[in-house]
Amino acid sequence: QSVLTQPPSVSAAPGQKVTVSCSGSSSNIGNNYVSWYQQLPGTAPKVLIYEYDKRPSGIPDRFSGSKSGTSATLGITGLQTGDEADYYCGAWDSNLSAFVFGTGTKVTVL
Amino acid sequence: QVQLVQSGSELQKPGASVKVSCKASGYTFTSYALSWVRQAPGQGLQWMGWIDTNTGNPRYAQGFTGRFVFSLDTSASTAYVEISDLMPEDTAVYSCARFSSTWHYAFDYWGQGTLVSVSS
Repeated sequence: QSVLTQPPSVSAAPGQKVTVSCSGSSSNIGNNYVSWYQQLPGTAPKVLIYEYDKRPSGIPDRFSGSKSGTSATLGITGLQTGDEADYYCGAWDSNLSAFVFGTGTKVTVL
Repeated sequence: QVQLVQSGSELQKPGASVKVSCKASGYTFTSYALSWVRQAPGQGLQWMGWIDTNTGNPRYAQGFTGRFVFSLDTSASTAYVEISDLMPEDTAVYSCARFSSTWHYAFDYWGQGTLVSVSS
């Protein structure tokens, strides 16, 4: 099982804000960078956030990332129907010498 | 533009082997490490390990040793994962993903995924 824990699902109405949490430990989030990925149904994952809070070019500023201690958070504002997807956090784990993904969170737009 | 294009879906019987390819284009193949990621039906992402495309040295995550082999054909800018002695629980989408060279431990490009189905 994954060492990074996310809520199974979150939901909100169009235009609202959602946050997705990712809980880890000192061997991963606490001391290594976090990235976030969006997986639309039937497609490959796409990076939304890297190094905790940086957005690649082309990713709208509706998406944001933050970190506090051994947890990270993805925020999505101005929720759109096209944001319905699975979201995964990821980080290097120094104890495992492995990249670890979170358990994944399904975002639903009500 | 950067692309990672994978081979097509496979249907194999238990005990058989399968080799999935990931052809890179649009960048210098040996400058970026490649990872393999597994996603079983309805499940999350699981990192299988990575291969140093400069040296060919593979590193496997726990649970992916023994039956899984990463390899390269640098002349063809292609990475492979071969899975032997297939089991029904190997049924999954296998994806290659490129480690960014400038972002710390993040994947900047992904292949489209290859569905491997194992059934008798």
